[in-house]
Amino acid sequence: EAGVAQSPRYKIIEKRQSVAFWCNPISGHATLYWYQQILGQGPKLLIQFQNNGVVDDSQLPKDRFSAERLKGVDSTLKIQPAKLEDSAVYLCASSPNWASYEQYFGPGTRLTVT
Amino acid sequence: AQKVTQAQTEISVVEKEDVTLDCVYETRDTTYYLFWYKQPPSGELVFLIRRNSFDEQNEISGRYSWNFQKSTSSFNFTITASQVVDSAVYFCALSESNQAGTALIFGKGTTLSVSS
Repeated sequence: EAGVAQSPRYKIIEKRQSVAFWCNPISGHATLYWYQQILGQGPKLLIQFQNNGVVDDSQLPKDRFSAERLKGVDSTLKIQPAKLEDSAVYLCASSPNWASYEQYFGPGTRLTVT
Repeated sequence: AQKVTQAQTEISVVEKEDVTLDCVYETRDTTYYLFWYKQPPSGELVFLIRRNSFDEQNEISGRYSWNFQKSTSSFNFTITASQVVDSAVYFCALSESNQAGTALIFGKGTTLSVSS
């Protein structure tokens, strides 16, 4: 079974530029999460989708971050404009369903904002 | 508020030593889940174990064992006879059943270095 795929693996941009990350969850997984992991800290949830609907986006900085999962499969996370403090690893995770409580993580995208 | 505390930032041991990683959590919910994840240098989070709040039985899986004590709100992880391949960052995490979603709340992690 293929795992969670993410691209790109690394991205370097200048502040005020925009960037997008892509995630393809495990086939059949209804729930998808985006986490932000700042160096030296544990991952922090940005947004959770159930199929193509948002379950929790309370910690998403909506003035600059947006995410979508239009067909309930792949997801895209966008930052526009980026700030220095957005430098982090962005992790995508998927779960069979909302109640399974077991999340499978992708390799992450390491973003550096200069 | 929910919170996970991993007081040990870094631990260094020599191969074959036993090592215990501490995890203390805070929650007001009676139904919750606790997790341990391993993050090797490659960066991918690897699931190790899930425990629900009604199951306080300790668990052993090979060289890994977990001790869950609700009385002290702790969920500690022990590696017996550590190996160099165990070197990684280990995260303890909490998920509650009554929040809007089922996102994990992670501690800050403990970096384990095992030398040969």
